[in-house]
Amino acid sequence: AQKITQTQPGMFVQEKEAVTLDCTYDTSDPSYGLFWYKQPSSGEMIFLIYQGSYDQQNATEGRYSLNFQKARKSANLVISASQLGDSAMYFCAMRGANFGNEKLTFGTGTRLTIIP
Amino acid sequence: NAGVTQTPKFQVLKTGQSMTLQCAQDMNHNSMYWYRQDPGMGLRLIYYSASEGTTDKGEVPNGYNVSRLNKREFSLRLESAAPSQTSVYFCASRLTGGRHNYGYTFGSGTRLTVV
Repeated sequence: AQKITQTQPGMFVQEKEAVTLDCTYDTSDPSYGLFWYKQPSSGEMIFLIYQGSYDQQNATEGRYSLNFQKARKSANLVISASQLGDSAMYFCAMRGANFGNEKLTFGTGTRLTIIP
Repeated sequence: NAGVTQTPKFQVLKTGQSMTLQCAQDMNHNSMYWYRQDPGMGLRLIYYSASEGTTDKGEVPNGYNVSRLNKREFSLRLESAAPSQTSVYFCASRLTGGRHNYGYTFGSGTRLTVV
């Protein structure tokens, strides 16, 4: 079984500061993928970044980077130079790589509020 | 390019009524999913379809049925709605096979209230 844990229900961060959103995971799959999604107040789910368990380097997408520590089973999202538009719910998610294990398992999310 | 389209966007049902949530994708994805989102609980998988003609239960399937009508469409049916099914429902799709980092594309959601 897969499990995602996000321990920060809410965070307040000053605009232009960097933000780290925590995510830990548990799985018995030898190969898996980790995702981060953003959900603004409008409700849509926006894909941000992906990290494969065998990827040698941490994933980066613009201002987003994923701090992947496989031994610690953590996949923290780092947002550099935060902006007001970054205020949203953020979800960490994971899926296994085996056929038939297509399910994306989500954490409970972190509500990020950027303060001007 | 519409992506994943869900209808309706909002719905109010009375307890015991039935309804079908529709989902269609135009990206030629082979896997499709239904999730529900409740406050404080993240998204939970109801049912998924790894390919046309197959469906499997997710984490919270009770009270729901699904139909993978064809490769594009995956519907979710509530046969006898209950207040516990008040939630926001998301449909998602994904291209599988090969590299497994193909992202999941989500629809805009259906906000369902059962009174």
